[in-house]
Amino acid sequence: AAGVIQSPRHLIKEKRETATLKCYPIPRHDTVYWYQQGPGQDPQFLISFYEKMQSDKGSIPDRFSAQQFSDYHSELNMSSLELGDSALYFCASKIGGGSYEQYFGPGTRLTVT
Amino acid sequence: DAKTTQPPSMDCAEGRAANLPCNHSTISGNEYVYWYRQIHSQGPQYIIHGLKNNETNEMASLIITEDRKSSTLILPHATLRDTAVYYCIVSYNNAGNMLTFGGGTRLMVKP
Repeated sequence: AAGVIQSPRHLIKEKRETATLKCYPIPRHDTVYWYQQGPGQDPQFLISFYEKMQSDKGSIPDRFSAQQFSDYHSELNMSSLELGDSALYFCASKIGGGSYEQYFGPGTRLTVT
Repeated sequence: DAKTTQPPSMDCAEGRAANLPCNHSTISGNEYVYWYRQIHSQGPQYIIHGLKNNETNEMASLIITEDRKSSTLILPHATLRDTAVYYCIVSYNNAGNMLTFGGGTRLMVKP
């Protein structure tokens, strides 16, 4: 069965650089979530989209932005990277309004040096 | 969303049932109980959910007390591959229902 695809899987950036993470949801899933998991921490919700509109916003820094495109894939744009942004970034998808479970991708490991 | 309380860690012998408790005393009437697990640095994995009734699927069983203030996830025959952090999450089911991960129980299945 198709799963959530995230790219890249690993990314190394320097401070003050920018990064773009991509998420391709499971086919026919119209809702996408982004979560950030710092070292030794629990995943924290960043932002979500339903039918290409932002639906919820969590603890996402102003330096980050995200959007969902017409094909339902989503991109998380991160600017002015800081050392504290080093984390695993997970994308999850689900069928909005009709299903219960979120399906998570394998994550992108971002390292900021 | 209601907060949950779980023990930080538990051990279980391989082949035995693992019973993971969760308290959610402030749960509201239309909030669901979800269980997810995360195997070391992998994406969290959905296990099961319930509203009022007990539920069972191929992975686990979920027992919810009548007052809905607590629940127990049961893995009937734990294997070494069930070693993970298990999260009990209470949330509404709507198009935007984000998951609030907190604490969780680190289950160690031992041979």
